[in-house]
Amino acid sequence: DAMVIQNPRYQVTQFGKPVTLSCSQTLNHNVMYWYQQKSSQAPKLLFHYYDKDFNNEADTPDNFQSRRPNTSFCFLDIRSPGLGDAAMYLCATSRDLKQYFGPGTRLTVL
Amino acid sequence: SQKIEQNSEALNIQEGKTATLTCNYTNYSPAYLQWYRQDPGRGPVFLLLIRENEKEKRKERLKVTFDTTLKQSLFHITASQPADSATYLCAGDFSGGYQKVTFGTGTKLQVIP
Repeated sequence: DAMVIQNPRYQVTQFGKPVTLSCSQTLNHNVMYWYQQKSSQAPKLLFHYYDKDFNNEADTPDNFQSRRPNTSFCFLDIRSPGLGDAAMYLCATSRDLKQYFGPGTRLTVL
Repeated sequence: SQKIEQNSEALNIQEGKTATLTCNYTNYSPAYLQWYRQDPGRGPVFLLLIRENEKEKRKERLKVTFDTTLKQSLFHITASQPADSATYLCAGDFSGGYQKVTFGTGTKLQVIP
């Protein structure tokens, strides 16, 4: 009974080639997040949704975009991936202040 | 800006002992602090939440404290087991009601049989 699902688990892309990461949830939570986590670093918040209200963090690069077409699904688009964008991307939902994370998508940029 | 600081050095502890992990924050207190467990290559898993006006919370072998004077939270695992080996992340909400947390870099715990 998966709750937060991320696809794919591993994504390889080429430098500059657009890529989309997907997240879906079966929890019906209003709040969703996208985080970027590099090795041995803290998860860094990129985007945050409260229902359809969208917030991007001030330091999220313009190269990153997000879409949430409905409560269950959320997408992260990286328009022109650079080598520095290689990381684990984590999707999470929230209810009662607790965050529920998906397994993450490991992005490799060649 | 607000920061969450955790000891980046790994903590090695003998099985059966109590592990104590430290989380410090800068400037003003978060509305609440959370602790998560993260295994390699996986997403974090929520463990405990403690609010600014609470001193201590417990859940089974886990205990967390919140000291606003010291600007610190301590996370304890009693009777530690090798299965407790993981990275433990501390997170604080400084967002003023927007349900956004700032994470620390985590402390890696290794429980030695």
